[in-house]
Amino acid sequence: GNSVTQMEGPVTLSEEAFLTINCTYTATGYPSLFWYVQYPGEGLQLLLKATKADDKGSNKGFEATYRKETTSFHLEKGSVQVSDSAVYFCALLSGAGSYQLTFGKGTKLSVIP
Amino acid sequence: DGGITQSPKYLFRKEGQNVTLSCEQNLNHDAMYWYRQDPGQGLRLIYYSQIVNDFQKGDIAEGYSVSREKKESFPLTVTSAQKNPTAFYLCASSIDGGGDGYTFGSGTRLTVV
Repeated sequence: GNSVTQMEGPVTLSEEAFLTINCTYTATGYPSLFWYVQYPGEGLQLLLKATKADDKGSNKGFEATYRKETTSFHLEKGSVQVSDSAVYFCALLSGAGSYQLTFGKGTKLSVIP
Repeated sequence: DGGITQSPKYLFRKEGQNVTLSCEQNLNHDAMYWYRQDPGQGLRLIYYSQIVNDFQKGDIAEGYSVSREKKESFPLTVTSAQKNPTAFYLCASSIDGGGDGYTFGSGTRLTVV
């Protein structure tokens, strides 16, 4: 079956530090990959996505590249801010018409001034 | 503005009582989903619906029921058969199978005492 593995948190960084959150996946076929962000007490928001190998998704300074050879989709940001403190979820959708998004367990990021 | 509305935000119920969580969307999305979120376990799919009057079980459907009588609405009933109902419940919708990502509501926190 499909699965997503994220690095365990919590991750604590100082403001302006470089962020990497690792994500690897197991899936059949050619999945689409996503990063979602959840702020305290809220639902999830789509942060970025990539639909095929070597695609780079980007949004709000965050980036992730779909690496089929390493089955990875690591999230990066060059300079984090306090407002980036949230829980980040990696997810995959296995093929068109799948209707079932598979999530990782989430990584909590805390950014301190 | 279009979006998903979940109500109430907080819900308290006594053990053994059924409770219904509301989810309404005005995005004209065909598909809707219910997820359960527990600390350290990520999101787990309870039920999903691709079209009106049709729905499928997800990974943890036992003790839950849903209906989809209208495109805009996908209520979730947590029955007394659900052994551990205290959790954060998230509703989501998508245009089709979710290739463009899901839109999430802000969640309902259910506490059973």
